[in-house]
Amino acid sequence: DGGITQSPKYLFRKEGQNVTLSCEQNLNHDAMYWYRQDPGQGLRLIYYSQIVNDFQKGDIAEGYSVSREKKESFPLTVTSAQKNPTAFYLCASSLQQRPHDEQYFGPGTRLTVT
Amino acid sequence: QQQVKQSPQSLIVQKGGISIINCAYENTAFDYFPWYQQFPGKGPALLIAIRPDVSEKKEGRFTISFNKSAKQFSLHIMDSQPGDSATYFCAANNQGGKLIFGQGTELSVKP
Repeated sequence: DGGITQSPKYLFRKEGQNVTLSCEQNLNHDAMYWYRQDPGQGLRLIYYSQIVNDFQKGDIAEGYSVSREKKESFPLTVTSAQKNPTAFYLCASSLQQRPHDEQYFGPGTRLTVT
Repeated sequence: QQQVKQSPQSLIVQKGGISIINCAYENTAFDYFPWYQQFPGKGPALLIAIRPDVSEKKEGRFTISFNKSAKQFSLHIMDSQPGDSATYFCAANNQGGKLIFGQGTELSVKP
C-alpha cells in the first residue's frame, strides 16, 4: 500500500522536552510538508521540503526544526522553544511542489505537552 | 493578502438537504482552489478542486462554484448524507506551490 505514515498517533511530553515526530512516505514524492492544526485555525504550514537535503520555513517555523536526509522521511522536532506545542500535527507529500500537485496527508500525530 | 476566509465555522443540515460552504480570498495570484475533507482523527483528503478559468466543477454530489470577479468560491453538497459529516477545508495555491487553508467548517448531517 502506498501512503504516508506518521508515528506515534498520540504523544505525551513534559514541558521543556524536545520531541520528534516521524513522517515516512512510499509514494516516491519529492515534496514533503508539515502542518499544525488547531481548532478554528485551519492548517498552518510549519516547514516544507522540495527535495532531499533542502527545506524552507513555512508560516510558523519558530520552535520547530526538520531534516530531510532521505527522500521518504521528513521528521519534525518540536523544541522546548515552541511556546504552545500541544496540537495535531499533519505531514503531507506531493509529487513535486507545483501548484496543481495534490497533497496527500498522513493520519496525524496528536501531541500533548503538560 | 495570503488569507483564505471560510464560513460558516459549523453547519448542521438535515439528511437530503444542501450543504453550502463559502470561501473568499484576496490574492489574485492564487490559481488553484482545492477542497479537502477531514474525518475525526484522520488527515485531510482531497475532495474536489477547481482552476479559475472555469466557473463550476461537479463531481457526483459535490460542486464547486467559482466567482473570479468577486474572489469567492463555494462548495455545495447535494443530497447531504450522514456519512458526509466531517470538517471541510477550502484552500488556495499560488505559483509558489504552497497551500493556504481556510479555517475549516464542521459539517453535521442529521438523519
